[in-house]
Amino acid sequence: QVQVVESGGGVVQPGRSLRLSCSASGFDFSNYAMHWVRQAPGKGLEWVAVISNDGSNKYYADSVKGRFTITRDNSKNTLYLQMNSLRAEDTAVYYCARSRSTWKPQYFDYWGQGTLVTVSS
Amino acid sequence: DIQMTQSPSTLSASVGDRVTITCRASQSIGTSLAWYQQKPGKAPKVLIYKASILESGVPSRFSGSGSGTDFTLTISSLQPDDFATYYCQQYNTYSRTFGQGTRLEIK
Repeated sequence: QVQVVESGGGVVQPGRSLRLSCSASGFDFSNYAMHWVRQAPGKGLEWVAVISNDGSNKYYADSVKGRFTITRDNSKNTLYLQMNSLRAEDTAVYYCARSRSTWKPQYFDYWGQGTLVTVSS
Repeated sequence: DIQMTQSPSTLSASVGDRVTITCRASQSIGTSLAWYQQKPGKAPKVLIYKASILESGVPSRFSGSGSGTDFTLTISSLQPDDFATYYCQQYNTYSRTFGQGTRLEIK
């Protein structure tokens, strides 16, 4: 069955970097756009970034633009989020989610269980 | 960016009640709207997409309606498993946005 599993979260100091991974299985990863969505403790959902099925198109939330980079390796069925210049307000559970298209805006039909990133000195 | 506003923020209801949650977009999004259910410590789960289409496996007591800027999620007869937080999401643009959430509590 479809599974997406995030990893790479942890505690990091402000200004430092962290890379998250999302490993996918049970579907043809190269046929789907993928997203990162985050949720600060006790708060709502915030969309972070999207990448097209082939990696050629990307789009970011204003709050992370210039600091975060979304990439994918279709040969490894893995999605990544490189997070640089981290701030306390980036503290959140980060989810990867599958979109129901290759790039055209669609809803998210599968989500991982999330990985917690804590930015603190 | 398109802003999504849900109401109410919190809703208290009893098992068997019919409840409605409202979501308003800051500009027209056609029917590019999804509803998600999230339970504590769990990932969101899609219930409705394209404003009114029930995702496979979702109980028929859930329904959605609306187009343009005004949307509703209705649960016809609340079950114990339905007490959770609900989010609307627009996907009319590449920059997706979620409503702030509606927490459905047991009265």
